[in-house]
Amino acid sequence: DQQVKQNSPSLSVQEGRISILNCDYTNSMFDYFLWYKKYPAEGPTFLISISSIKDKNEDGRFTVFLNKSAKHLSLHIVPSQPGDSAVYFCAASQNRDDKIIFGKGTRLHILP
Amino acid sequence: EAGVAQSPRYKIIEKRQSVAFWCNPISGHATLYWYQQILGQGPKLLIQFQNNGVVDDSQLPKDRFSAERLKGVDSTLKIQPAKLEDSAVYLCASSPTLEQYFGPGTRLTVT
Repeated sequence: DQQVKQNSPSLSVQEGRISILNCDYTNSMFDYFLWYKKYPAEGPTFLISISSIKDKNEDGRFTVFLNKSAKHLSLHIVPSQPGDSAVYFCAASQNRDDKIIFGKGTRLHILP
Repeated sequence: EAGVAQSPRYKIIEKRQSVAFWCNPISGHATLYWYQQILGQGPKLLIQFQNNGVVDDSQLPKDRFSAERLKGVDSTLKIQPAKLEDSAVYLCASSPTLEQYFGPGTRLTVT
């Protein structure tokens, strides 16, 4: 049973435009959410996180939005750059010290 | 700051053989994780250590997988005997808090 779902296996976006990656979760006990970015042959790299007490967190070109009632979060990248081409994993945990559950990932392609 | 080190980077073995992976976490990180990432899936936690104690090994197939973290620093993950379905990337991560820092992984192919 997938508790963290990323329903789009891949996404292609023109360079300079906005990339929106979506994630849904089923466990209402999750209260901390993270996004990781992964290049080929490398381990995932932490990108940005959000606590359930917030509905938005921003870090440079990256913004994560959380809609608790819909059990949905999204990662916005503006503007998209070629180096953003990677696999993005959504992840969640029940508290900051609990184990992290990862989604299957979305492969983002930034087109020139 | 040096990252999480893992070796080997690649390993090919035949089914029923044994294999071991090594991980050296970032200095000072008390928590160490081993994940299995099958192609097309997200990382799945196998075992979590806090210093040299096991915090969570509920998803570790204990009939064939074992892990240890002697002295609370580096760690080894062993598979004995390997099955075809063990083909995956094995990721090690360490953390001071919730944000985990991952190593490059070991890609295991079981033939």
